[in-house]
Amino acid sequence: DQQVKQNSPSLSVQEGRISILNCDYTNSMFDYFLWYKKYPAEGPTFLISISSIKDKNEDGRFTVFLNKSAKHLSLHIVPSQPGDSAVYFCAASPSGNTGKLIFGQGTTLQVKP
Amino acid sequence: KAGVTQTPRYLIKTRGQQVTLSCSPISGHRSVSWYQQTPGQGLQFLFEYFSETQRNKGNFPGRFSGRQFSNSRSEMNVSTLELGDSALYLCASSLVAGDNEQFFGPGTRLTVL
Repeated sequence: DQQVKQNSPSLSVQEGRISILNCDYTNSMFDYFLWYKKYPAEGPTFLISISSIKDKNEDGRFTVFLNKSAKHLSLHIVPSQPGDSAVYFCAASPSGNTGKLIFGQGTTLQVKP
Repeated sequence: KAGVTQTPRYLIKTRGQQVTLSCSPISGHRSVSWYQQTPGQGLQFLFEYFSETQRNKGNFPGRFSGRQFSNSRSEMNVSTLELGDSALYLCASSLVAGDNEQFFGPGTRLTVL
């Protein structure tokens, strides 16, 4: 049972344009969401997060949007840079400070120069 | 500040053997979580330790176990290895128990032959 889904395995965008990565979840008990970036042979690197009491969080070129009614979140990267090419994972945390993150399958982003 | 370190980085074992993986969290972080990453199942939560106690456990068989020491360093052990245990094992540290923002190490790549 995939509680967090990233339906697009890959995405290709041109340098300077916007990258939009999407994530859907099924469990309404999730109260915190995170995005991680992963390069080959490295562990995931924390990018940005959002609490379920918010609908938007921005950090530099990265913005995460949360639509609780649709159980959907998205990561916007503007402008995209070649160094952003990596696998992006969406993760969700159940309420109750479990220390457990539930990850999506990841989306491979390629930013072309 | 040094990041999360994991040793060894690569390991090859045969079926039936056991293996111990080590993780040193970021200095000052007291919580350690372990995850397994495979191509088919993605990133899955194994367990979380805080103050030398296992707080939460994922859906893995009892062959997977762990512990945490007084200096917050953690080890995980897999006994009676199976081919399907081949995976990247990732350790993540956070400041306190149940903290959503987790910082990952580079992982240990385990291959079971």
